[in-house]
Amino acid sequence: EVQLVESGGGLVKPGGSLRLSCAASGFTFSNAWMSWVRQAPGKGLEWVGRIKSKTDGGTTDYAAPVKGRFTISRDDSKNTLYLQMNSLKTEDTAVYYCTTLVVSAFDIWGQGTMVTVSS
Amino acid sequence: DIQMTQSPSSLSASVGDRVTITCQASQDISNYLNWYQQKPGKAPKLLIYDASNLETGVPSRFSGSGSGTDFTFTISSLQPEDIATYYCQQYDNLPPSITFGQGTRLEIK
Repeated sequence: EVQLVESGGGLVKPGGSLRLSCAASGFTFSNAWMSWVRQAPGKGLEWVGRIKSKTDGGTTDYAAPVKGRFTISRDDSKNTLYLQMNSLKTEDTAVYYCTTLVVSAFDIWGQGTMVTVSS
Repeated sequence: DIQMTQSPSSLSASVGDRVTITCQASQDISNYLNWYQQKPGKAPKLLIYDASNLETGVPSRFSGSGSGTDFTFTISSLQPEDIATYYCQQYDNLPPSITFGQGTRLEIK
């Protein structure tokens, strides 16, 4: 079964850090471009960033609101995607989804993990 | 960045109705436009990719059309299980930029 399972969410104070993980199974993770998408409570979807497969260079790109604070990485030996979030702000409060990115579309989605930034 | 204007923001229709949602891009995006369905408390689900291609396993009552800046998503005969919020999403590679429409909340009348 094709599956993405996020973990690592929780409550963190403004200015703090958190690392999310996404465990992939059921497909060839090393060939996949991966992405993070978030959704603030009661709001719409917002793209966070993406990482290409190592075969395609392994480079990353980020949305403007998180650039310089968030870092996406991958460990293909563990079939795991990561999102390191630093200098967190209250406006980063959201459900964070891990997804595959196939050309231009988000194909497979995880169930999401909630991140709350509050003092 | 490319902006996406999705309308309407909410919609109420009866079972069996034809439902249409539109999405307009602030500049030409060719056919790099996708549609998602999100039910409450669940992750989004890809329905239509590249403007008009039906994702595997998605019922044929869902369809999409358009290119350039104007796109349309249609449910030909609304079913009770279609109650959800629908989002369009564009993809621009240079520089990499991905944006979603504001969403359309679909309710049964």
